[in-house]
Amino acid sequence: QMQLQQWGAGLLKPSETLSLTCAVYGGSFSGHYWSWIRQPPGKGLEWIGEINDSGSTNYNPSLKSRVTISVDTSKKQFFLKLSSVTAADTAVYYCAREGPHFYYAMDVWGQGTTVTVSS
Amino acid sequence: QSVLTQPPSVSGAPGQRVTISCTGSNSNIGAGYDVHWYQQLPGTAPKLLIYANSNRPSGVPDRFSGSKSDTSASLAITGLQAEDEADYYCQSYDSSLSAAFGGGTKLTVL
Repeated sequence: QMQLQQWGAGLLKPSETLSLTCAVYGGSFSGHYWSWIRQPPGKGLEWIGEINDSGSTNYNPSLKSRVTISVDTSKKQFFLKLSSVTAADTAVYYCAREGPHFYYAMDVWGQGTTVTVSS
Repeated sequence: QSVLTQPPSVSGAPGQRVTISCTGSNSNIGAGYDVHWYQQLPGTAPKLLIYANSNRPSGVPDRFSGSKSDTSASLAITGLQAEDEADYYCQSYDSSLSAAFGGGTKLTVL
């Protein structure tokens, strides 16, 4: 049973860079896309971007200028960096697997990391 | 403002049937991209409920079903139970290779 475990700094100041890590346990890293999604307090889900094991990425156009998603296949980890954060970036951030067996639906999710941006 | 539009809320009594719509356009659902549905219970990560328009992952009760037509999709829940009270999200893709979620629908079981 695959599990995703994520971690990163939970409190940032405006203009800093958000950095999160998602580690994959109990399954294959290759053959999937790996996504980051966020959810501001009391609001809906927003897709941030995705990466595959070859390093090919797709990003939400509204965040593309500030987002970098990368991967370390040897460690079965992928990463999110979001630069120049503001209060509007305060959210719960999730990592998720997009599995080909589910037509690339997000079938496995991390536990979520709460990130607060405040001066 | 999401490119996929859902009603903010729906409600139903136990045992009833409810549907949640997800309306897109010719650049996403209407372009042939699959629609997936997720259930999010309070304080938890979303859970995959329906994939590729109408397929249920193992363990999801057959009370949940999905359909897709033209530029929209629907999630139907029959035999409504108190435990179904949650937020529901549709998700698809657009021609720019971006994934997108609907705004979410809060289901209240009366």
